[in-house]
Amino acid sequence: AQKVTQAQTEISVVEKEDVTLDCVYETRDTTYYLFWYKQPPSGELVFLIRRNSFDEQNEISGRYSWNFQKSTSSFNFTITASQVVDSAVYFCALSEASNNGYKYIFGTGTRLKVLA
Amino acid sequence: SAVISQKPSRDICQRGTSLTIQCQVDSQVTMMFWYRQQPGQSLTLIATANQGSEATYESGFVIDKFPISRPNLTFSTLTVSNMSPEDSSIYLCSVKTGMSGGAMETQYFGPGTRLLVL
Repeated sequence: AQKVTQAQTEISVVEKEDVTLDCVYETRDTTYYLFWYKQPPSGELVFLIRRNSFDEQNEISGRYSWNFQKSTSSFNFTITASQVVDSAVYFCALSEASNNGYKYIFGTGTRLKVLA
Repeated sequence: SAVISQKPSRDICQRGTSLTIQCQVDSQVTMMFWYRQQPGQSLTLIATANQGSEATYESGFVIDKFPISRPNLTFSTLTVSNMSPEDSSIYLCSVKTGMSGGAMETQYFGPGTRLLVL
């Protein structure tokens, strides 16, 4: 069985602060994929990043960075110099093989509030 | 990536009625997925819609309650039947791009349909 844990239900920060969203996963597979999605108040899910289990290189994209550590089964997401537009619910997801192809398991999400 | 549209974007419905949600993709895809997101909750997969065959439902979801059509490789519908207030949710259509299980496979979502059942 697989599981994705986002222990932080809600985080509030003041604009320009850095914030890290935690994601811990469980899987028995050696090949799997991890994702982060953003869901702003409008409701659509926006794909942010995909990371393959065999690639532990961390990634930076503008103010966003991701820290993938297989040793601790974590895939944390950091927003640097947060802005009000970053306010959203962020979901971490795990994809691994099943009888019906690859299935995505989503965490419960972390609601980020960035205050002006 | 994929561009996905859904109709309606939102609706308010009466108990006991049914609503059909449409999902259109800008490219041909083998499988389309329907998710439900109850208020304040995460996403739960309802079913996988395959073109040319019956949809595959996840545990807890049945065809009588959520019939799905998949007439071609770019379109699908999900019907929420005999609605009750517990069906109030966001319903999201989704597709995957890239080779299944491949390093580039990614799931993209439509804008969602916000349903409120009174």
